[in-house]
Amino acid sequence: AQKVTQAQTEISVVEKEDVTLDCVYETRDTTYYLFWYKQPPSGELVFLIRRNSFDEQNEISGRYSWNFQKSTSSFNFTITASQVVDSAVYFCALSHNAGGTSYGKLTFGQGTILTVHP
Amino acid sequence: NAGVTQTPKFRVLKTGQSMTLLCAQDMNHEYMYWYRQDPGMGLRLIHYSVGEGTTAKGEVPDGYNVSRLKKQNFLLGLESAAPSQTSVYFCASRNRGLGGELFFGEGSRLTVL
Repeated sequence: AQKVTQAQTEISVVEKEDVTLDCVYETRDTTYYLFWYKQPPSGELVFLIRRNSFDEQNEISGRYSWNFQKSTSSFNFTITASQVVDSAVYFCALSHNAGGTSYGKLTFGQGTILTVHP
Repeated sequence: NAGVTQTPKFRVLKTGQSMTLLCAQDMNHEYMYWYRQDPGMGLRLIHYSVGEGTTAKGEVPDGYNVSRLKKQNFLLGLESAAPSQTSVYFCASRNRGLGGELFFGEGSRLTVL
């Protein structure tokens, strides 16, 4: 069975602070994909990043960076110099493609509520 | 671009009433999904479809039915609504192939009294 754990239920920071959102996953598959989605107060789900299990390179996109460590089954997300607009719920998710039978279903973590105060 | 559209956006039901949520996508995606979002539980998969005329159960299918008569539409039905089905429902779609991201609708907030 697959599982995604986001241990931090809520995080509160002051603007310009760096913040890291943790994500730990469990899977028996050798091929899988990890995702991060953002859900701002307006409620829609915004895709942020996808990483496959064979690509452990860290990625940076502006103030966002992601650290994928297969050895610890973690896919952590860091926001540098946080801004009020970063306030949202962030979800980590796991997909698997074992034998082509998963059909891209995602298993989501519980979500982390990030509040950035001015 | 409409993407994934859900109707209605809001609905209040009484216990025992029935209703249908409609999801429409204009991206010609093969796969479609219905998730529910509850506080502290993330999103959980209710049902999904891998093509026109096919449906399958997800993690929390009880109390729901689905149909995919047309490729672009995926309907979620509640035959006899219960307060435990108060939630925000999200429809999503994606194409075939490995690792594609899901495209989500804006969500439908359902309250069952």
